[in-house]
Amino acid sequence: DIVMTQSPDSLAVSLGERATIDCKSSQSVLYSSNNKNYLAWYQQKPGQPPKVLIYWASTRESGVPDRFSGSGSGTDFTLTISSLQAEDVAVYYCQQYLTTPLTFGGGTTVEIK
Amino acid sequence: QVQLQESGPGLVKPSETLSLTCTVSGGSISGNYWSWIRQPPGKGLEWIGYIHYSGSTNNNPSLKSRVTISVDTSKNKFSLKLNSVTAADTAVYYCARWLYSSGPHHFDIWGQGTMVTVSS
Repeated sequence: DIVMTQSPDSLAVSLGERATIDCKSSQSVLYSSNNKNYLAWYQQKPGQPPKVLIYWASTRESGVPDRFSGSGSGTDFTLTISSLQAEDVAVYYCQQYLTTPLTFGGGTTVEIK
Repeated sequence: QVQLQESGPGLVKPSETLSLTCTVSGGSISGNYWSWIRQPPGKGLEWIGYIHYSGSTNNNPSLKSRVTISVDTSKNKFSLKLNSVTAADTAVYYCARWLYSSGPHHFDIWGQGTMVTVSS
């Protein structure tokens, strides 16, 4: 299984400041045949299902604000919220979809400082 | 737009079988892959398995052989059965569409989730 490890477990950021979440996979999720990283980021607000923000490690889902960005390749990835807004308070998960079993990171809780 | 809705009992006794159904509306179940994912209270997400509309399946080995996922294309539904449940199976269960086009993609549509508690 590919183990996804997120850090930190939680972080508190002031409104308007940058938030950065890291995700590391135990094996590369880069598929050499198409040079794509099979990595997605989801946002989950209390009482709601997860919502995809980013896929292919850096492609923003339609409708997602451009303050959300994804970067990284191979085994190391980052989700960045460039200017934290109150509505961004949530738990964020990374997920690999290269191989089954599909696996998620443990989640990172983002709060307002 | 495609919407998913989980349904089923909210309380299951230990050692019995958990049964849930996901109804797909606003689109066809055909041509897609569909998954079940669960989330224990206060914890992270665990992929349970997927089913293709043709009926082919793949389950998480962590659940061993306790999982059965089936599809009814005539009713635009797919279902989950998890047998021999214990308290560790208490969770919110989500159904989701697993995008698969020229290879695997992410989960793009999720149901609202249904809480299932295992307790006598």
